[in-house]
Amino acid sequence: GQNIDQPTEMTATEGAIVQINCTYQTSGFNGLFWYQQHAGEAPTFLSYNVLDGLEEKGRFSSFLSRSKGYSYLLLKELQMKDSASYLCAVPLDSNYQLIWGAGTKLIIKP
Amino acid sequence: ETGVTQTPRHLVMGMTNKKSLKCEQHLGHNAMYWYKQSAKKPLELMFVYSLEERVENNSVPSRFSPECPNSSHLFLHLHTLQPEDSALYLCASSQDRDRTYEQYFGPGTRLTVT
Repeated sequence: GQNIDQPTEMTATEGAIVQINCTYQTSGFNGLFWYQQHAGEAPTFLSYNVLDGLEEKGRFSSFLSRSKGYSYLLLKELQMKDSASYLCAVPLDSNYQLIWGAGTKLIIKP
Repeated sequence: ETGVTQTPRHLVMGMTNKKSLKCEQHLGHNAMYWYKQSAKKPLELMFVYSLEERVENNSVPSRFSPECPNSSHLFLHLHTLQPEDSALYLCASSQDRDRTYEQYFGPGTRLTVT
């Protein structure tokens, strides 16, 4: 089957670093997306990885290991506004869909 | 208006009502999507339209009826809904229907069925 797993909730401190993991099982691989969703708002695109390795984009970085079926989102210098849910999604091999994780709710404490 | 807009933002309806959700994208995209988001569950894809043609219908009950009159507008017509249909309904668009394109989401309609 095809499945995505990510932790339900994480807590971190303002100014610190946090790593949000995502593991996936799919029949093929066409990249992996990370989206951010603040409470009551629309998901917004953060990153798309299709090759192994780390891609850095300011305070946010995303890592992919295709052989391990594993990705993580790394958030540095955490700010209170980073409190949100982070969604991992993988395109299905056979059609136009993405399969989505349930999201990781990140709580930032002062 | 920019991006993807949805109206209404909040909707409360009885099980015998008929209502419609509207989505409009101002990005010149060719593909549009309806998703259902329930608390602590993954986004569920309901429908995909590409150039006004429905290309995916994920076994959605017939009480949900989509309509795409042109590539900028998408509707979701609702009738005789059930309380378990209460959720956030999100519209999204992407440049093309290829699944590797980034999707742009609207703010959603929070639907409550009483």
